[in-house]
Amino acid sequence: DAKTTQPPSMDCAEGRAANLPCNHSTISGNEYVYWYRQIHSQGPQYIIHGLKNNETNEMASLIITEDRKSSTLILPHATLRDTAVYYCISHSGNMLTFGGGTRLMVKP
Amino acid sequence: GAVVSQHPSWVICKSGTSVKIECRSLDFQATTMFWYRQFPKQSLMLMATSNEGSKATYEQGVEKDKFLINHASLTLSTLTVTSAHPEDSSFYICSALSLGQTGTPSSNTEAFFGQGTRLTVV
Repeated sequence: DAKTTQPPSMDCAEGRAANLPCNHSTISGNEYVYWYRQIHSQGPQYIIHGLKNNETNEMASLIITEDRKSSTLILPHATLRDTAVYYCISHSGNMLTFGGGTRLMVKP
Repeated sequence: GAVVSQHPSWVICKSGTSVKIECRSLDFQATTMFWYRQFPKQSLMLMATSNEGSKATYEQGVEKDKFLINHASLTLSTLTVTSAHPEDSSFYICSALSLGQTGTPSSNTEAFFGQGTRLTVV
């Protein structure tokens, strides 16, 4: 699995959009980009994934650059309950290797 | 979505005893399950890959005789921490890959995670 790099922490005001970046410059052609989040003392929760097209679901949007070397997870209207560690992972089908993630703090 | 159930959620045990943690996929079959360990304020570290009907594959630095993994069916994998010591205290998390439409895991099949087990060895 390709290595991903994310900023260690970010703050976001409640109600505003949270944009979480991820670099995956060594990603290979068949590896999907997955996003999970982990709320304190719980297992990771799936958010969204994509290969090369932008994706949207009820939780978030995923924007992948044309060269696939980076992506951005967008939480359109962050709430206090979105405070968590967000992990960007490239997935080759064998295993998921977690990097350090981004600790998102949503503030009132 | 699919559910992975992990039991127990938390356990406290005495040093030198063994603890078994169960990971079940409730509504799908999982030929492959993964065991992670997470220390406070750190990321998840993969310990081993558990394959149904075969021996687990351990990551470098993880003692296979200390962390026994059994994947006896398509819906159950167990991790036994043998002769636990205080340094084994951690948050243990399992995950399972669904088989997907092709019948095998692929990069387009998401992993489902259990809720984790907090182990405290005293």
